[in-house]
Amino acid sequence: DAGVIQSPRHEVTEMGQEVTLRCKPISGHNSLFWYRQTMMRGLELLIYFNNNVPIDDSGMPEDRFSAKMPNASFSTLKIQPSEPRDSAVYFCASSLALKAGDTQYFGPGTRLTVL
Amino acid sequence: GESVGLHLPTLSVQEGDNSIINCAYSNSASDYFIWYKQESGKGPQFIIDIRSNMDKRQGQRVTVLLNKTVKHLSLQIAATQPGDSAVYFCAEKNRLTGGGNKLTFGTGTQLKVEL
Repeated sequence: DAGVIQSPRHEVTEMGQEVTLRCKPISGHNSLFWYRQTMMRGLELLIYFNNNVPIDDSGMPEDRFSAKMPNASFSTLKIQPSEPRDSAVYFCASSLALKAGDTQYFGPGTRLTVL
Repeated sequence: GESVGLHLPTLSVQEGDNSIINCAYSNSASDYFIWYKQESGKGPQFIIDIRSNMDKRQGQRVTVLLNKTVKHLSLQIAATQPGDSAVYFCAEKNRLTGGGNKLTFGTGTQLKVEL
């Protein structure tokens, strides 16, 4: 079975450019999560959706970050404009639902480098 | 405040030996505790979880122990293999006021298996 799919796997861009990261959750999963991983801060939850609706975006660092989930099989995380401090690995994860026992399965991540 | 921390940033073991990775947590209200394994260039991979009302759970070659008295979590890997080399994260799951559950990750322990 296909796991969580993310694209691109690597993205190098220049400061000020718009960046769009994409995620396809596991089929049948109703909850989707976006995380950011850096050496300094570790894994941080940015935002999560349930049934395509954003539930909590308190982890989104600034207004430059936005996320959408137009349907059950696709989500985007957009950074506009990008800054060097946004360089990190961005992970998408999905789970069946939001119950405590529902395991979150992670994608392979997108490594973003902003020059 | 909520925090999950690891005592040992790096653990080296001989192939075939047992490994024990430790984790301290501070939020006594957490519902679940989870261990993830992250190999270089990959996303976190679910290993095993334990509910807060349990003190031990076993999987294939892995055992998780939960000591709520001292807020301590450990992951035991039996007969450690080279393929076990990775960074191991503990995470705790807490309920959010907006609904759902949030994973808070520890800083990670690098496990190195020596041949």
